[in-house]
Amino acid sequence: GAVVSQHPSRVICKSGTSVKIECRSLDFQATTMFWYRQFPKQSLMLMATSNEGSKATYEQGVEKDKFLINHASLTLSTLTVTSAHPEDSSFYICSAATGDRPYEQYFGPGTRLTVT
Amino acid sequence: DAKTTQPTSMDCAEGRAANLPCNHSTISGNEYVYWYRQIHSQGPQYIIHGLKNNETNEMASLIITEDRKSSTLILPHATLRDTAVYYCIVRVYGGATNKLIFGTGTLLAVQP
Repeated sequence: GAVVSQHPSRVICKSGTSVKIECRSLDFQATTMFWYRQFPKQSLMLMATSNEGSKATYEQGVEKDKFLINHASLTLSTLTVTSAHPEDSSFYICSAATGDRPYEQYFGPGTRLTVT
Repeated sequence: DAKTTQPTSMDCAEGRAANLPCNHSTISGNEYVYWYRQIHSQGPQYIIHGLKNNETNEMASLIITEDRKSSTLILPHATLRDTAVYYCIVRVYGGATNKLIFGTGTLLAVQP
């Protein structure tokens, strides 16, 4: 159990376009979902926390108008990178947690975004 | 959340126990120690967590010193598939948010 999927696994887009990444909890209801970004040879950096039905909370330095997060249901959160630029190329990872076991976050497999 | 310090990298022979240390000297009384690992180009995986007692599950054991200023994650019989970056994270359980702040972790290389 506790499987989180991400789609797509890899995406290449042109500079200036927007790209949407989906994160789904397949066999549990995720009251909270998190979005991370990871550059090569670096650790994960938390971008934002989203609770179902409410606005996401962004970490300091993360532009909320550039990284749009929607958590419309207990099994789906989306991250949209708007007006992507080459410096947005990164590995984007989501995680999900349930209300009854908040200490265990279940991570998706990640999405490799390349902006050309 | 308290800061953690881990060695950058470690080697371990296949089949032997891998002991990964973590220092968290500024840990406070209500902070738990969590361990996650990340295999290359995959999402992290939860391993284990504890407060002050030693913990064991099907993946690993967690040994926390009596003063709680350090801990050790033990993989009893390391395999090649255990090669990954291991993250030790200290945070308050059930705090205002459940967010995890990842440090640089320890790259464990299991050698055949």
